[in-house]
Amino acid sequence: GENVEQHPSTLSVQEGDSAVIKCTYSDSASNYFPWYKQELGKRPQLIIDIRSNVGEKKDQRIAVTLNKTAKHFSLHITETQPEDSAVYFCAAIIKAAGNKLTFGGGTRVLVKP
Amino acid sequence: GAGVSQTPSNKVTEKGKYVELRCDPISGHTALYWYRQSLGQGPEFLIYFQGTGAADDSGLPNDRFFAVRPEGSVSTLKIQRTERGDSAVYLCASSSRGRGLTDTQYFGPGTRLTVL
Repeated sequence: GENVEQHPSTLSVQEGDSAVIKCTYSDSASNYFPWYKQELGKRPQLIIDIRSNVGEKKDQRIAVTLNKTAKHFSLHITETQPEDSAVYFCAAIIKAAGNKLTFGGGTRVLVKP
Repeated sequence: GAGVSQTPSNKVTEKGKYVELRCDPISGHTALYWYRQSLGQGPEFLIYFQGTGAADDSGLPNDRFFAVRPEGSVSTLKIQRTERGDSAVYLCASSSRGRGLTDTQYFGPGTRLTVL
């Protein structure tokens, strides 16, 4: 079926290091790829998104890259801080599934001080 | 402005009971979505409203689940004859759907449903 795969499921980094999370998707027609951050017991919050007409987008310490040919996209967090610790979800609009927003399984990021 | 709100924040019920979960979207947002999030997993799509009508209810797991949005704003997710497997966080999201655009979905805080 149509899905989004996310790796790794957990990621532990030292404060100040970079963190990279990768997602792959199955529908070549997908055109919208948001990333959400969810702290324990809180709502998912959009941190960055990218549309299929660009290959990279950056917002301060956060960047997302998209490779449409390979059908994968990645989140990059530089100079990580303890407050970056959370679960991060990638998602894609799966057109083949009726334009539903389909989420990856999540990556639990722990930034060690 | 105010974000998406959901009530109650927590609901504990007994197996077999009926529950209603409420979502109040961002004012002016025409699209409303319900998701279910189990522990350690990403949100899973349940149903999508565009205005008052359910445009896609293909994610509802069975006929015990039903949702309404009678005036195109507040929505209620209704679960009949609850089962222990229904325990999860139910998330609501809304977006301002423009023609030809893929719009950002803003999530509410969720309702944590526990079926004993």
